[in-house]
Amino acid sequence: GAVVSQHPSRVICKSGTSVKIECRSLDFQATTMFWYRQFPKQSLMLMATSNEGSKATYEQGVEKDKFLINHASLTLSTLTVTSAHPEDSSFYICSALSGGTDTQYFGPGTRLTVL
Amino acid sequence: DAKTTQPPSMDCAEGRAANLPCNHSTISGNEYVYWYRQIHSQGPQYIIHGLKNNETNEMASLIITEDRKSSTLILPHATLRDTAVYYCIVRADTGGFKTIFGAGTRLFVKA
Repeated sequence: GAVVSQHPSRVICKSGTSVKIECRSLDFQATTMFWYRQFPKQSLMLMATSNEGSKATYEQGVEKDKFLINHASLTLSTLTVTSAHPEDSSFYICSALSGGTDTQYFGPGTRLTVL
Repeated sequence: DAKTTQPPSMDCAEGRAANLPCNHSTISGNEYVYWYRQIHSQGPQYIIHGLKNNETNEMASLIITEDRKSSTLILPHATLRDTAVYYCIVRADTGGFKTIFGAGTRLFVKA
């Protein structure tokens, strides 16, 4: 199946700093990528939809100025958590839509811990 | 909003078939049924999807009822590594393609 990677897999940062997470589709082009957040023992929550070359569409309740998304190429989308706080600690997962099959493939996730 | 209903948890003996049900009574004509699973601390893994016909691949089989209001994911010979949360999702093949996750079914495969 198609492969999606995320980097870093784990990050620890101090409160107030910004953290960038990369999501790459390795063997296919993805015009659309998605960002999810998952808290312990909960399901995935969709944060935003990222389309290549255009602004991301955020779900209700997600602060666009805090979670900056850039989808500059057909294989890369980035999520930047700005001025991170302990409540932003979570498991962040991206997915990429394979245009050929209309199937979403997910990355392995990034564990963010804000101290 | 998730459009599916799944039992919160199920047990299965290793080597036996695991049958995971999903109710999607409000499914629309252009919506597919997708199944993903998530092993602890990993990203979701695509398993299978279908529209109205039964589907089979190397991982599982998907049985969709004739009225499409429910489906069953079948893992023919469950192993301990199949212990995971299984998500049944309905999603249209056009439009936003957003995949909205419900609570899923936590499958425990026991030796």
